[in-house]
Amino acid sequence: KQEVTQIPAALSVPEGENLVLNCSFTDSAIYNLQWFRQDPGKGLTSLLLIQSSQREQTSGRLNASLDKSSGRSTLYIAASQPGDSATYLCAVRRNYGQNFVFGPGTRLSVLP
Amino acid sequence: DTEVTQTPKHLVMGMTNKKSLKCEQHMGHRAMYWYKQKAKKPPELMFVYSYEKLSINESVPSRFSPECPNSSLLNLHLHALQPEDSALYLCASSQERTGTITDTQYFGPGTRLTVL
Repeated sequence: KQEVTQIPAALSVPEGENLVLNCSFTDSAIYNLQWFRQDPGKGLTSLLLIQSSQREQTSGRLNASLDKSSGRSTLYIAASQPGDSATYLCAVRRNYGQNFVFGPGTRLSVLP
Repeated sequence: DTEVTQTPKHLVMGMTNKKSLKCEQHMGHRAMYWYKQKAKKPPELMFVYSYEKLSINESVPSRFSPECPNSSLLNLHLHALQPEDSALYLCASSQERTGTITDTQYFGPGTRLTVL
């Protein structure tokens, strides 16, 4: 059974810092991995999707990497801003399946 | 248009009521999903429809009944719910092509359900 964990559970940083969020999964037979952000009481917004054959994806200040063999992904946020404050979730999709398994999330607070 | 809409935004119901949640997308996506999310927890997959057919049911109790009347609409019918079913119910969609499974899930804003 696929299990997904995220470290740290919560993070508070001053504005402008670069930061790294971590996602680990137990079964390396994945199809892709997706990073989302969720604002309190709201739906999820997709940030980046990495296919299993890819090593990284970039969008603006965000960079996500994937090391499938070690079961890890990182989300790098450059020059953090207060508007980045949210919960960040990673989700792993099983090989050729439609089952997505989410990690518990990292609650990020960026202080002005 | 990359939007998934859900109605209602909030719903309060008694344990004997019957109600329905509605989800709609006009992106031409052929896979649609229902998730349940409790406070401070990640979303848990409930159902997946692919080309209007139920492809995954994650052992969800029968008091939750999904329906996909067409490729743009997904309903979740609720009957005889329990207070512990109170949660945020999220709908999502993604592109799906025969023989491949692709890409990004787009989520709706959710329906906040309270069962009294």
